[in-house]
Amino acid sequence: GAGVSQSPSNKVTEKGKDVELRCDPISGHTALYWYRQSLGQGLEFLIYFQGNSAPDKSGLPSDRFSAERTGGSVSTLTIQRTQQEDSAVYLCASSLPRVGGGRAGNEQYFGPGTRLTVT
Amino acid sequence: QKEVEQDPGPLSVPEGAIVSLNCTYSNSAFQYFMWYRQYSRKGPELLMYTYSSGNKEDGRFTAQVDKSSKYISLFIRDSQPSDSATYLCAMRWTGGFKTIFGAGTRLFVKA
Repeated sequence: GAGVSQSPSNKVTEKGKDVELRCDPISGHTALYWYRQSLGQGLEFLIYFQGNSAPDKSGLPSDRFSAERTGGSVSTLTIQRTQQEDSAVYLCASSLPRVGGGRAGNEQYFGPGTRLTVT
Repeated sequence: QKEVEQDPGPLSVPEGAIVSLNCTYSNSAFQYFMWYRQYSRKGPELLMYTYSSGNKEDGRFTAQVDKSSKYISLFIRDSQPSDSATYLCAMRWTGGFKTIFGAGTRLFVKA
C-alpha cells in the first residue's frame, strides 16, 4: 500500500517568505507527527496530532510555525517569514493509535521529507 | 545536556565486521527503546523495538537495553555494504506519545 507522502520534495525560498509543507499519512493512521532534521541534530519533534484531540504543539520553535490537520488526514505545516535557520529537512510520520506496547503501537512510518532551503 | 546522546560518527568498518552502535539517556522514565535506520535522502524506518531491559535479536541485528546504566546498544553481525546508513536510537515513556531521537550515527560498511 501507499506510504506516507510529502510535498514538495525540495523547496528553496527567500528569507521572509512563507512556505507550506504538505503531508499525506497512511490511510487509517490516526496519529501524525512533524519533525525537523538538521545536519547532526537528529530529529527534533515539532507537533503531534491524534485523532480529534487537540494537537500537542510543544515542539514548535516559534510562533512563525503552525500546523493543521484537516479531516483527520492531510496535514500542512506552515512557516511564516522564513529565516535561514529554518533550513532543514522536515519529516512527517504517521502511526496507528497507541494500543498497548507492541510494535504496532510504537512504529512510526516516515515520509521522505521536504528539504527546505532558505536563502 | 540532551535527553538522548548518540555519537554521530561516522563509523567506517570492513564488510563482515561486527558493528556496535550505542546511545545513553538521562530520563529513567523511558520504557520503550527503538532503533531506526535512515538511508540517504529517505525517511527513517523502524529496525528494532524493545520494551524495558533485555535483549532482542532479529537476524543479524541485536538490540540491548541496560536501564540501570541508561545505555542501549544495537549490534550488527556480518555487516554488509547495504547496512551503510544512519542509525537513530529513539525512546519514549509509557503512556507518552512523544518519541525522543538521538542525533544518529552514520555507518559506512566497506566492501
